[in-house]
Amino acid sequence: EIVLTQSPATLSLSPGERATLSCRASQSIRGFLAWYQQKPGQAPRLLMSDASNRATGFPARFSGSGSGTDFTLTISSLEPEDYAVYYCQQRYNWPLTFGGGTKVEIK
Amino acid sequence: QVQLVQSGAEVKKPGASVKVSCKASGYDFVSKGITWVRQAPGQGLEWMAWIRPDSDDTKSAQKVQGRVTMTSDTSTSTAYMELRSLISDDTAVYYCATQGRSGWLDDWGQGTLVTVSS
Repeated sequence: EIVLTQSPATLSLSPGERATLSCRASQSIRGFLAWYQQKPGQAPRLLMSDASNRATGFPARFSGSGSGTDFTLTISSLEPEDYAVYYCQQRYNWPLTFGGGTKVEIK
Repeated sequence: QVQLVQSGAEVKKPGASVKVSCKASGYDFVSKGITWVRQAPGQGLEWMAWIRPDSDDTKSAQKVQGRVTMTSDTSTSTAYMELRSLISDDTAVYYCATQGRSGWLDDWGQGTLVTVSS
């Protein structure tokens, strides 16, 4: 099973600041990585697929990068609605696995 | 638009079974797989299982293998996930999600809280 390790567990930042979230895979997953955003009491929402393809409805301040084992989700300038938990997920092979999540909270 | 509507919250005793439904609309039901993901209280996401409605091909996580059954009814565009021999660690919100050609979990149901308690 591929293990995804996200860091940091919590990111405390002020609105307008840049957020950099990391996801590391235990083996190469090429570019088969997605990011999901989850707000309290809501289902997760697909944010980024294939490492860098932004999903419909998400603004350009969200960007993804990486391949192989190291991936990054960047939010260039935090808006109030961006405070949430972000999960990475791989589909390189079964079973699908998720990272433990990074909570982006207001500083 | 794609919509997944799940059945309501359940409270079960240890050892019992639960069956959660996920009714799909807004797309051709057999064109996408249905994935089940669960989230224990205050915890992260855990992939549980997957079914392909057009073939009934299924996959499940080792942790629940032997206790979980996924089925689908193409006449009603509904997927089901049954979990047997429930234990307290099965207490979680269970989500269904579509997994289309992209392979990613595009659309999600609202979640079903299953509480296992004596």
